[in-house]
Amino acid sequence: KQEVTQIPAALSVPEGENLVLNCSFTDSAIYNLQWFRQDPGKGLTSLLLIQSSQREQTSGRLNASLDKSSGRSTLYIAASQPGDSATYLCAVRGSGGSNYKLTFGKGTLLTVNP
Amino acid sequence: DTGVSQDPRHKITKRGQNVTFRCDPISEHNRLYWYRQTLGQGPEFLTYFQNEAQLEKSRLLSDRFSAERPKGSFSTLEIQRTEQGDSAMYLCASNEQGNYGYTFGSGTRLTVV
Repeated sequence: KQEVTQIPAALSVPEGENLVLNCSFTDSAIYNLQWFRQDPGKGLTSLLLIQSSQREQTSGRLNASLDKSSGRSTLYIAASQPGDSATYLCAVRGSGGSNYKLTFGKGTLLTVNP
Repeated sequence: DTGVSQDPRHKITKRGQNVTFRCDPISEHNRLYWYRQTLGQGPEFLTYFQNEAQLEKSRLLSDRFSAERPKGSFSTLEIQRTEQGDSAMYLCASNEQGNYGYTFGSGTRLTVV
């Protein structure tokens, strides 16, 4: 059974700092990995999708990497801003029998202080 | 198309009442999913439709839960005889068949009092 762990559970940084969020998964047989952002009481907004054959994806100040063999992904946020404050969720889509399901981590709660 | 729509955004109900939620996926997406998220946890899979066929139901979905997707368009999730443990955010998502990412809706926050 796939398990996804996100470290740290919470992170507080001053504005302008670069930061890294970590995600690890136990089964390397995945189709893709997706990073989401969730604001309090809201739904999920997709940030980046990395296919299993890719090593990284970039969108603006965000860069996500994937090391499938070691079961790890990182989300790098450059020059953080208060508006980046949210919970960041990592989700993997397995390539086994139920290959349409996402397995989520519990998320990292990010606070960027002005 | 403005994305995945869910209605209502919030629902407060008394224990024992029935509730129904609606999800309108992105029109060209043939796959639709329901997930449930409790406080401090990541979303957990509930059920999956490909077109109008419900292809999997999680063990989290007790007999009090039923989901439909008539004609492969919008979907409804009904909870009968609600319990306090049903209080959660119910999230709907859709995508196309293939290695595509998910698009989630804004969710329905259910509070059972």
